[in-house]
Amino acid sequence: GAVVSQHPSWVICKSGTSVKIECRSLDFQATTMFWYRQFPKQSLMLMATSNEGSKATYEQGVEKDKFLINHASLTLSTLTVTSAHPEDSSFYICSASRRNTGELFFGEGSRLTVL
Amino acid sequence: GENVEQHPSTLSVQEGDSAVIKCTYSDSASNYFPWYKQELGKRPQLIIDIRSNVGEKKDQRIAVTLNKTAKHFSLHITETQPEDSAVYFCAASPGGGSNYKLTFGKGTLLTVNP
Repeated sequence: GAVVSQHPSWVICKSGTSVKIECRSLDFQATTMFWYRQFPKQSLMLMATSNEGSKATYEQGVEKDKFLINHASLTLSTLTVTSAHPEDSSFYICSASRRNTGELFFGEGSRLTVL
Repeated sequence: GENVEQHPSTLSVQEGDSAVIKCTYSDSASNYFPWYKQELGKRPQLIIDIRSNVGEKKDQRIAVTLNKTAKHFSLHITETQPEDSAVYFCAASPGGGSNYKLTFGKGTLLTVNP
């Protein structure tokens, strides 16, 4: 089946630093990728929709300057958490929509801890 | 935008019993309704989905029903096993083509007691 790989799977950083998370579709082209945030024991909250070659569409309440999304190719989208603070600590998950069929596949998730 | 309500938030059953989780949605344009199972710290796994042109779909011990008029859909798990214990999320989406923007319910923690 289709595979979506996310890296890193976990990261610990100091407050004020920036962290980049990559989401790759390994064996298919993804027209659209989605980024979610999940707090402990809570649901997945959509942060933004990332379309290849265009600017991401952010959900209401998500700071686009804080969470930079780049979708430079049909197989890679990146989420950069800029000037991270402890409240940004969370589980970040991406999903990729397969080109032509629209089937959705999730990455493994990245756990960010900001000290 | 879409709003998905999911109930119950927790569900505890004995092994072998059935479990039912219910969701309602608000946007009549939604036509794709997947269910995901998520184990702690792992990615959501699609377990079954249904589209609005179908009223019921079954896959072994798992079934999903959809009432488009009432805007609700349900997950049914029969003959539950301890390995079914996880958090289950329903979702709704306009679906089709490349648009799979999902709105998730808040999740149901299912515990199957041996």
